[in-house]
Amino acid sequence: GAGVSQSPRYKVAKRGQDVALRCDPISGHVSLFWYQQALGQGPEFLTYFQNEAQLDKSGLPSDRFFAERPEGSVSTLKIQRTQQEDSAVYLCASSFTARGKETQYFGPGTRLLVL
Amino acid sequence: AQSVTQPDIHITVSEGASLELRCNYSYGATPYLFWYVQSPGQGLQLLLKYFSGDTLVQGIKGFEAEFKRSQSSFNLRKPSVHWSDAAEYFCAVAENRDDKIIFGKGTRLHILP
Repeated sequence: GAGVSQSPRYKVAKRGQDVALRCDPISGHVSLFWYQQALGQGPEFLTYFQNEAQLDKSGLPSDRFFAERPEGSVSTLKIQRTQQEDSAVYLCASSFTARGKETQYFGPGTRLLVL
Repeated sequence: AQSVTQPDIHITVSEGASLELRCNYSYGATPYLFWYVQSPGQGLQLLLKYFSGDTLVQGIKGFEAEFKRSQSSFNLRKPSVHWSDAAEYFCAVAENRDDKIIFGKGTRLHILP
């Protein structure tokens, strides 16, 4: 596709439910990033992949958060046993090279609401 | 730890007026600096970036930003705003050694007709 796509665009989950958020990066992009954007805040880094390798997961807030990119393309962010504080917009970004300071192209985000 | 501060949460300007959005960063070495714009329902779009060289950077949509090392600032400017510029603007900095981008909390720009 022309840009980064994310699905679903909106997700409502009951507290304790597991959710999976999908990111389709721009074809051929090596780097993939996940960010969490709470209401009224800037995006905060969660994790970074270079191809299928997860090189940085320092931003994942707890062990309930897990991300994978098994074939170096599509990525899934999974949140287990969701809590209300997980409510946020989850943004995915990709960049062409392995150097993340190159332009990152962002998807529209998945808005997660945990009740 | 590095950080980005955007002191203004909201800014209101009249259409056709000039604009300056402030950004200050905290980082020891020469940072990689970015400005992104986020319109409602849209993803973040890169306006411009500074890595090195000329400290005045031109971006898309008529925006420019100036890197001032002495003031640790990277302010965004536009000589004449349009109603379509109403959006949230984020300043961001990337670390040298890894590729994580640190975002400020954003400035919401309102345009008066």
